[in-house]
Amino acid sequence: DIQMTQSPSAMSASVGDRVTITCRASQGISNYLAWFQQKPGKVPKRLIYAASSLQSGVPSRFSGSGSGTEFTLTISSLQPEDFATYYCLQHNSYSWTFGQGTKVEIK
Amino acid sequence: EVQLVQSGAEVKKPGATVKISCKVSGYTFTDYYMHWVQQAPGKGLEWMGLVDPEDGETIYAEKFQGRVTITADTSTDTAYMELSSLRSEDTAVYYCAADSSSFPLGYWGQGTLVTVSS
Repeated sequence: DIQMTQSPSAMSASVGDRVTITCRASQGISNYLAWFQQKPGKVPKRLIYAASSLQSGVPSRFSGSGSGTEFTLTISSLQPEDFATYYCLQHNSYSWTFGQGTKVEIK
Repeated sequence: EVQLVQSGAEVKKPGATVKISCKVSGYTFTDYYMHWVQQAPGKGLEWMGLVDPEDGETIYAEKFQGRVTITADTSTDTAYMELSSLRSEDTAVYYCAADSSSFPLGYWGQGTLVTVSS
């Protein structure tokens, strides 16, 4: 199975900060990567697909980049509603895999 | 409107089997794969496997292979996930999630809490 290593596992940030989260795949996955946001007690929400395509309705402060084995999710200016846990998902291989998650907390 | 509606919470004893349903509406059931995702309390998302409702073919994550069975009933547009030999570590919320035309796991059920306790 392809392993997805997400970092950091947790971070503290302030409103207005630029935040970057990284996912590394154990082997190349082209651009078969999506990003989700999850708040406590809620269903995961789709943010980014095909590594860099923004889901309709998602604020433009969210962006994704990368291809192959290294991917990033960037929040250009963190807003109060962005405090949540973020997950990457690879869907290139026979068996899909989530990253371990990054919890973004208020500093 | 796409909806995935899951069955209710379950309490099971260790060693038992649980079967959760996920009824879909708002799209053609056979058009997209249906996945199941586990989330233990305070933990991350774990992909368990998928079924292609078109032909019933399945793929399972190695971790769950041998204990999980995912099926799809096209007569009722319902997917099922059965997990056997339950242990306390299987206490979790289980989600069904369907692909959409552009987004993997684009639509999610509300989640079903399974508690394994003696």
